Amino acid sequence: QQQVKQSPQSLIVQKGGISIINCAYENTAFDYFPWYQQFPGKGPALLIAIRPDVSEKKEGRFTISFNKSAKQFSLHIMDSQPGDSATYFCAASGEAAGNKLTFGGGTRVLVKP
Amino acid sequence: DGGITQSPKYLFRKEGQNVTLSCEQNLNHDAMYWYRQDPGQGLRLIYYSQIVNDFQKGDIAEGYSVSREKKESFPLTVTSAQKNPTAFYLCASSTERGLNTEAFFGQGTRLTVV
Repeated sequence: QQQVKQSPQSLIVQKGGISIINCAYENTAFDYFPWYQQFPGKGPALLIAIRPDVSEKKEGRFTISFNKSAKQFSLHIMDSQPGDSATYFCAASGEAAGNKLTFGGGTRVLVKP
Repeated sequence: DGGITQSPKYLFRKEGQNVTLSCEQNLNHDAMYWYRQDPGQGLRLIYYSQIVNDFQKGDIAEGYSVSREKKESFPLTVTSAQKNPTAFYLCASSTERGLNTEAFFGQGTRLTVV
């Protein structure tokens, strides 16, 4: 049972464009929603995270939007750059859900110059 | 520098062999995790430990074993019972249990069955 569903699987965007990745979760016990960025052959690194008490969080060109009622959250990458080309994973965790991160399937983003 | 060190970076296993992947952290984190990543797929949790001398099975624990004798170390053994072990293995750690905070990942070990 996949508790965190991520879409799309891959995404191609032109330099300067907006990349949008969506995630949906099932477990209402989740209360921490991070996004990780992974480059080939490397481990993932935390990009930005949100908790359900806010609907949006912005850090530089990266924004998380959170819709608690719909159990959905998304990552927006504004002014996408070739260096943003990577695989992005959404994740979710919660103390009541065992305190372990559950990951989405990942989105491979390619930013064309 | 604080961080998580996984070794080796590449590992080759013959059929029927057990192999052990090393994971060491100097971040003073209580919780440690092992994930498996297959090409084009997300990360799947194998085992996790929130305190020394205690660990729990994740979603795909069959064919794997772990130990947590020291806070800094969480080795993963891939046993011969794991039928399809070829994958990229990632170790992670995070701060005190009960708090949902950033997980720090190592650089991974790529295991190949030959």
